[in-house]
Amino acid sequence: QLQLQESGPGLVKPSETLSLTCTVSGGSINSRRYFWGWTRQPPGKGLEWIGTIYYSGSTYYNPSLKSRVTISVDTSQNQFSLKLSSVTAADTAMYYCARRHEDLRWAFDIWGQGTMVTVSS
Amino acid sequence: AIQMTQSPSSLSASVGDRVTISCRASQDIRNDLGWYQQKPGKAPNLLIYAASSLQSGVPSRFSGSGSGTDFTLTISSLQPEDFATYYCLQDYNYPLTFGPGTKVDIK
Repeated sequence: QLQLQESGPGLVKPSETLSLTCTVSGGSINSRRYFWGWTRQPPGKGLEWIGTIYYSGSTYYNPSLKSRVTISVDTSQNQFSLKLSSVTAADTAMYYCARRHEDLRWAFDIWGQGTMVTVSS
Repeated sequence: AIQMTQSPSSLSASVGDRVTISCRASQDIRNDLGWYQQKPGKAPNLLIYAASSLQSGVPSRFSGSGSGTDFTLTISSLQPEDFATYYCLQDYNYPLTFGPGTKVDIK
């Protein structure tokens, strides 16, 4: 069964770059039937979509973060990654990676457990 | 960007109650809408996709309806494990946008 696992530093200093990786296990990231994405949730708040990538490398970003976000895919490692530059305390959140499935009209059907990132000096 | 609103923002209900949550889009999104359940400390879980299709493994007491701009999630008989926060998500176009959530707690 396919699983997603986020990894990366739990603490990032203001103005630095947040870097997270999502490792896909139990299935291939290299499929035209899926998109792969990142969503975040500040403590006590709602969900915010960050961006999505296709196995080919095509990306789609939230305009509110677009100038600071880069999502990339490494099919050889079965991973995709998130980089968010110039972070501030407002970027403190739980970060989730997830899969969008074509058969489900591109709904997010599988999620990682999430990783908490705190921005603080 | 398409704005999503949900009502109510929270509700209190008892086990066995019928619960209805509404989601409205700022423009026509056909039926490109999903419903997600999130429990504290957990990742969201897909309940409904394409507005009314039940995700595999989700109990049949959950149902979704609507198209265009107005959508509804119904829980026919609330169970103890259903106390959670529910979010709608439009995947009609980018940027994908979530509703603000509806928290369902115990009366």
